Amino acid sequence: KNQVEQSPQSLIILEGKNCTLQCNYTVSPFSNLRWYKQDTGRGPVSLTIMTFSENTKSNGRYTATLDADTKQSSLHITASQLSDSASYICVVSARTTYSGTYKYIFGTGTRLKVLA
Amino acid sequence: DARVTQTPRHKVTEMGQEVTMRCQPILGHNTVFWYRQTMMQGLELLAYFRNRAPLDDSGMPKDRFSAEMPDATLATLKIQPSEPRDSAVYFCASGLETGTSYEQYFGPGTRLTVT
Repeated sequence: KNQVEQSPQSLIILEGKNCTLQCNYTVSPFSNLRWYKQDTGRGPVSLTIMTFSENTKSNGRYTATLDADTKQSSLHITASQLSDSASYICVVSARTTYSGTYKYIFGTGTRLKVLA
Repeated sequence: DARVTQTPRHKVTEMGQEVTMRCQPILGHNTVFWYRQTMMQGLELLAYFRNRAPLDDSGMPKDRFSAEMPDATLATLKIQPSEPRDSAVYFCASGLETGTSYEQYFGPGTRLTVT
């Protein structure tokens, strides 16, 4: 069964600290993995997209890693800021058996709170 | 600054009423997605289109939901009849598919409350 699990469910850190969010998946056949940031009351915004052959991808203070062998991904946030307070959602896509379409499997997200 | 727009932003309706949500994708994008988000289920893909043709609507309750793209600038999601369990935030997203990995840009969402 295609599943995406994220941990922790929620996290509280102090401003300036680093943190790492986890995403484990059992999705096949794997196409790509995305990390989204969703501020309260807004639509998700893409942070990174990684394909099978990519191990690391950065977007400013956000660095995502992918281990396709263990089917794990992490999102590392460096020097956190108050504006990083949001939900972070991991999404894995799988190519379906009929050509040209994809399934998108969502994790339930990690809710991050950065305190001053 | 191109954005996906959605209307209405908020909708409160009574059970049994028809609800229509509209989305204007970013000009030039060839894929459009409809998602639903609830506290319990998180984000779920309902349907998506490529070049206005429906590709996958397996995530959508067929008996009451319908999604269409009458033209390249408008996507609609209709619920008839609506039920309290349909209360959620509905997001539209669009993207330019040029390979297996491409950005999806989300709209601000329509918050639907069915009483």
